[in-house]
Amino acid sequence: AQKVTQAQTEISVVEKEDVTLDCVYETRDTTYYLFWYKQPPSGELVFLIRRNSFDEQNEISGRYSWNFQKSTSSFNFTITASQVVDSAVYFCALSVNTGGFKTIFGAGTRLFVKA
Amino acid sequence: DVKVTQSSRYLVKRTGEKVFLECVQDMDHENMFWYRQDPGLGLRLIYFSYDVKMKEKGDIPEGYSVSREKKERFSLILESASTNQTSMYLCASSTQGAPGAQYFGPGTRLLVL
Repeated sequence: AQKVTQAQTEISVVEKEDVTLDCVYETRDTTYYLFWYKQPPSGELVFLIRRNSFDEQNEISGRYSWNFQKSTSSFNFTITASQVVDSAVYFCALSVNTGGFKTIFGAGTRLFVKA
Repeated sequence: DVKVTQSSRYLVKRTGEKVFLECVQDMDHENMFWYRQDPGLGLRLIYFSYDVKMKEKGDIPEGYSVSREKKERFSLILESASTNQTSMYLCASSTQGAPGAQYFGPGTRLLVL
């Protein structure tokens, strides 16, 4: 069975602090995809990144970076120099090829960035 | 700009009513999904569809059915609404093949009294 665990329910930081959101996944499949989504207060989930299981390269996009480590089954997300606009719920998700790449979401981490 | 729209942002229904939630996407995506979002549980998949008239059960299909008569439209039906179906319902779509980004609608917050 597949599972995604986001152990941090809520995180509160002050603007300009760096913050890391943890994501641990479980799957026996060798081919899988990992995602991060952002859900701002408006409610609409927004896609941030996709990683496949064969690509362990870390990725940086502006203030966002992702650390994928198969050895620890983790796909962590770091926001550098956080801003108030980063306040949102962030979801980590896993897709495996069972009946068409069903996606399993973690419970989400609510990030508060205070000015 | 890609767009997934849902028929209502807020809906209040009574126990036992039949409820229709509509979702339309304009991206010509083959895959469409219905999730419900509850605090502490994240998103849970109710049903998904790979093509017109195709449907697959997700993790929590009980009490729900779906309809996909046209590629762009995916409807979620609560045959007889119950209070435990009070939730936020999210529709999403994606392209076929290896899983790519899912594009989400704004959600429908359903309250069943």
